[in-house]
Order: sequence, then C-alpha cells, then structure tokens
Amino acid sequence: DTAVSQTPKYLVTQMGNDKSIKCEQNLGHDTMYWYKQDSKKFLKIMFSYNNKELIINETVPNRFSPKSPDKAHLNLHINSLELGDSAVYFCASSPFEGVGSGNTIYFGEGSWLTVV
Amino acid sequence: GQNIDQPTEMTATEGAIVQINCTYQTSGFNGLFWYQQHAGEAPTFLSYNVLDGLEEKGRFSSFLSRSKGYSYLLLKELQMKDSASYLCAVLDSNYQLIWGAGTKLIIKP
Repeated sequence: DTAVSQTPKYLVTQMGNDKSIKCEQNLGHDTMYWYKQDSKKFLKIMFSYNNKELIINETVPNRFSPKSPDKAHLNLHINSLELGDSAVYFCASSPFEGVGSGNTIYFGEGSWLTVV
Repeated sequence: GQNIDQPTEMTATEGAIVQINCTYQTSGFNGLFWYQQHAGEAPTFLSYNVLDGLEEKGRFSSFLSRSKGYSYLLLKELQMKDSASYLCAVLDSNYQLIWGAGTKLIIKP
C-alpha cells in the first residue's frame, strides 16, 4: 500500500490552463507538504498543513493554492499556468511539525508538470 | 542567507567507499537529514543527526559537526544500486527544512 500517493504522475498542459494535483496519505500523519523540485534539483517548500491549518506559506505566486478537505488530503491547485511552472511537484507528510528523528518526511512519487 | 553546499557530482567504483560532504549556514539548527533520490523517483530517508558524532546504519553512516557546520554521508561496499542523488537538508530554527541541490553519485563497475 502506497503511503503517500499523488495523481497525476505526468501532466502536460497549455499555458493559461488551470490544473490540480491530488495528494493523499494513509500514514495518519498530522502534517502534509507540497515541494517543488526545479531543474537544478533544489527542493523548495511551497506549503505545509498541520491538522488542516496552513502553517507555512512560502513566497509562491497566489496562482498556487493548497486545499485540504481533511487531514489525509492536501491538493494543489494551480491557476493560469505559466511556462516557468514546469517542474516536479512532490507531496509529502510527516508525523508532526517540528524537530526529531521520528519526524521523517515521507514523499509521494512526484508529479511531472510540463507547461507548453 | 541560508545555504547548503554539497558537490554536484561524484564517481566511485563498485565495492569501494565514498564520502559525500555537506556544509551548511542556516539560521539556527534543529537537525540534519540525508535523503537518497533515484532518478525519476521520490527522495527516501537515510539518516537524521542532531548531535555531534557518527551514526552508523548498515553500509551507510552519517557524521555531524555542529561547530563546523559540516556533515558527511559515508557509503561502504558500494553497489550499483547506490547510484543516485544524495540530498542534504537542514532543519532551521523555524523548523523549516532547507535543502541542498544534491550530489549525483555515479558507481562504475
């Protein structure tokens, strides 16, 4: 059983479209994240949710909006897609927000978004 | 600013030992993670260090020196499947995880 699953795995879309990436975790974790991995392979955090409450919101464009219907889901919605949005987006979860070796971050398999 | 430095690429021979270094400058420190990422896959957890010293886990060991802002990941008895990128990440004082760009490790027979 997949611990953190996200769909779709691959997405090719045109500029200006609106798209969503869904994420679900079955680990019972309290915190979920969205990361963006760009062509330089840096993993940059976009959002995190702790018990359905947004706790980190990095300086990402407001075209990106996280939506968490419940603790096990954190979806990423992107409006008016731009060429620069092409990247790999990773969903992740952790038992809690904070420090400790028990707070390992578990990643989904990634969603490859290509904007043309 | 916050910065994580690690070599871009390293090459080693199957059966040998390789050490991947990571230096960091962050606002506070609450631990350092090493993750492995195979091409086209998600990062997977390898180790977590918050105290100085060496943590050994099978063929992999991770070392931390907080005073020097330095860590290394040591891989022994290299296998072809160890070919991957190795990501260093530091948890800062705000509990935000700062990621390095990763070191691509190439294993040759």
